[in-house]
Amino acid sequence: QPVLTQPPSASASLGASVTLTCILSSGYSNYIMDWYQQRPGKGPRFVMRVGTGGIEGFKGDGIPDRFSVLGSGLNRYLTIKNIQEEDESDYHCGADHGSGSNFGVVFGGGTKLTVL
Amino acid sequence: QVQLVQSGAEVKKPGASVKVSCKVSGYTLTELSMHWVRQAPGKGLEWMGNFDPEDGETIYAQTLQGRVTMTEDTSTDTSYMELSSLRSEDTAVYYCAAAPIAAPTSIFDYWGQGTLVTVSS
Repeated sequence: QPVLTQPPSASASLGASVTLTCILSSGYSNYIMDWYQQRPGKGPRFVMRVGTGGIEGFKGDGIPDRFSVLGSGLNRYLTIKNIQEEDESDYHCGADHGSGSNFGVVFGGGTKLTVL
Repeated sequence: QVQLVQSGAEVKKPGASVKVSCKVSGYTLTELSMHWVRQAPGKGLEWMGNFDPEDGETIYAQTLQGRVTMTEDTSTDTSYMELSSLRSEDTAVYYCAAAPIAAPTSIFDYWGQGTLVTVSS
């Protein structure tokens, strides 16, 4: 099964841009990944799905156009432009793998984004 | 408007069992692939398992095999997750999360509000 690696923290100033990274383990470069946002004290919500060709499908409900994704090799990126205070959250990447009795879902450790 | 509404917080002693419910509205359970995910305090997300109504199979994470049971009551569109032989490390917020089988946008399009389960003697 793939392993997803995220840096534990990131920060950016109000109005600036930031790119969050999730790295797939070797051999899984074709995998599609989902990004989830979790605001303090709240449950996660779906942001976007990303493959090597960029966004797959549609953004989650209420996700502003300031959010975009890219994929390259083993890396999956979530970029937030013109950062707002409400973007301060934990961001999790997740991917499913296998099928039938071998199905599973793995998550990265999450990145805590601080807005300065 | 799809909603997943979970049961309230629980406090349990080590060795006991807990059963958390998740009531669906806006879809029927048979239209959704229902998963359970947990998050220990200050930690990341951990997938626990899912029920796929298309093939009737329930898949559990290997780390929880033998202790977790997921069931569904389609007459009330309510999903249940029961965890037995509780340990302190099971203290976490438990989420139900689902996606429509027909046209999912992600693994988890919809999330419940979370249920805090505290295991303490």
